[in-house]
Formats: sequence, structure tokens, C-alpha cells
Amino acid sequence: QVQLQESGPGLVKPSETLSLTCAVSGYSISSGYYWGWIRQPPGKGLEWIGSIYHSGSTYYNPSLTSRVTISVDTSKNQISLKLNSVTAADTAVYYCARHSGYCSTTSCHPLVYWGQGTLVTVSS
Amino acid sequence: DIQMTQSPSTLSASVGDRVTITCRASQSISSWLAWYQQKPGKAPKLLIYKASSLESGVPSRFSGSGSGTEFTLTISSLQPDDFATYYCQQYNSYSLTFGGGTKVEIK
Repeated sequence: QVQLQESGPGLVKPSETLSLTCAVSGYSISSGYYWGWIRQPPGKGLEWIGSIYHSGSTYYNPSLTSRVTISVDTSKNQISLKLNSVTAADTAVYYCARHSGYCSTTSCHPLVYWGQGTLVTVSS
Repeated sequence: DIQMTQSPSTLSASVGDRVTITCRASQSISSWLAWYQQKPGKAPKLLIYKASSLESGVPSRFSGSGSGTEFTLTISSLQPDDFATYYCQQYNSYSLTFGGGTKVEIK
């Protein structure tokens, strides 16, 4: 059974870098599929941040691409998210998830396995 | 980016009701549409993909239809476990976008 667990600081100061890790169990990232990050501000809807393949191939939300880096560590079976220059608008629950298939320039399959999410608050 | 618009934003219904949620895309997305269910404090759960394909383990009272720019999610007979927020999501492009959500609440 595929399980994902997000971890990282729950509080980040404005202008600093938000860093989160997603540990995957029950499936080897190296075996395939794309893995993504999604966020949800309190009381609001879902926003896809970006996704990565074990090879390092990435796709980012165009509205966040200048501030986001997603990386993969196959030896630890985990993916990571870095979002720099954060503001209060980046306060959200951050989820990692696995796609049901591949991503390409024309499509990116739905998200079938999700972590429980972790709340990150941006505040001084 | 492809914009996704859901209606209504909130829906009040009773157990046993037939419920329909609509999702419209700002441009044609063929059948590349998914529906998710989210309960408070929980991660979203994939219900339907490719507009009408039921994800494994999802009850058959859920169904999806549509193509192009207009899509619907139907719950044929609303059950107590179905009170939640529902999101559509397009995957016609690599840049995934979600609808604003429809909260299904108890009437």
C-alpha cells in the first residue's frame, strides 16, 4: 500500500524559504510514476504546485515556477519542495501525492495517492 | 492556464437525493477531467478520471459525464458519507488546475 508522509517546519518567516519533504513507503519512487505537490490555503481550494519523475524531470505551475524547486532523492525514497521568498499568501496545507500515470507537455495524470498534508504558516 | 468553474459552490441536499455538480472548462479539455471528494481535515480522494471512469473502490452511485468544456458529477442517491466538498480537475495540459469546489451539505 502506497503511503506518503509530509514533514517540515510548520512556521516560516516572510521572505524566507519553505522546505518540505515527502517520505514514500510501500512503493519505490524509482519504479515509476510522477510525484507532485499540491497546496490548499485555509478554507480555500486546491492549487497544483508541480510534479517530478525519478529521473528528475519536472513540471511546475507557471504561476509559481520562478520560486519553486522540486527534487527527488531515490536513495531515501522521498521528494522535496522548496518555495522561496514566501509571503502570507503561501500559508496553506501542503500535500504530496502520486499521479496515476505520466506527465508530459500535453497532459499530467490525476493524483491517486495523497499524504495527509502539513500546515505551513508564513508569519513573523 | 485552463480555468475550471464549478457550480453551485454550495448545495444543500437530503439523504437519498440525486445530486448533480457541474464543471466548466475555459477551453476544450476533451475527456481529461477528474473528480475528487474531500472531507474536512483530510486529503482529497480521487473518484472519477477521464470524465466518466470510476476509480477502483468508489461506489457506483457516483458517475461522471461530459466532454469538451462541460462536465457533470452525479450522485444517484446521496448517502451520509457523501457530505463533503467535491473538486473537478483538468489534466488536458501539464499545468493541472482545479475548480473552486462544491460543498454538499445536509439540508
